[in-house]
Amino acid sequence: NAGVMQNPRHLVRRRGQEARLRCSPMKGHSHVYWYRQLPEEGLKFMVYLQKENIIDESGMPKERFSAEFPKEGPSILRIQQVVRGDSAAYFCASQSSTLPGNTIYFGEGSWLTVV
Amino acid sequence: AQKITQTQPGMFVQEKEAVTLDCTYDTSDPSYGLFWYKQPSSGEMIFLIYQGSYDQQNATEGRYSLNFQKARKSANLVISASQLGDSAMYFCAMRPPYGGATNKLIFGTGTLLAVQP
Repeated sequence: NAGVMQNPRHLVRRRGQEARLRCSPMKGHSHVYWYRQLPEEGLKFMVYLQKENIIDESGMPKERFSAEFPKEGPSILRIQQVVRGDSAAYFCASQSSTLPGNTIYFGEGSWLTVV
Repeated sequence: AQKITQTQPGMFVQEKEAVTLDCTYDTSDPSYGLFWYKQPSSGEMIFLIYQGSYDQQNATEGRYSLNFQKARKSANLVISASQLGDSAMYFCAMRPPYGGATNKLIFGTGTLLAVQP
């Protein structure tokens, strides 16, 4: 599990600022997922990416949120003009392939607090 | 629509005893995967165990076992010989059918387990 690296672990932003969350998947993993966990709730899927491609963004809010997974470097979840409701834990997960039985490993999460 | 239900918001168990955390799921697809994750107070999500819908035997991983009852659509997690370090939130999750374009997980609301000495 420690192989999926997320940073920062904790981030505080004022309303209207931008938040950038980074995720480096486990070595050899080319599939990356972002999930959001609101207080007292389970995780909710946001977006699924492969290198340079967004495969499924059905869980992403239509505005202010974007994600990328460039050919080089970590995956980035970007939240523009943050509002208090964006305060949550954001988890990245990675997988080596989508074959049956392939475990999905999570990072330690990034906790965003909007003040 | 696929759905995961965890009906126990919180549970207590005595140290060294076994505990069962309930999970039921709803899907019309014949192929799917079921996961359990542990989230301690530090916040990280730790993979515990996986069960595929076509697996013939219940999954086991050390002190964790999955009581998979396909006809009842239940996938309960059994923790044997509870330890104080097992105190955490436990999430059940389902992955959609094999071969789908995405492996996004659907999570339950979690069960908070407290192990008492």
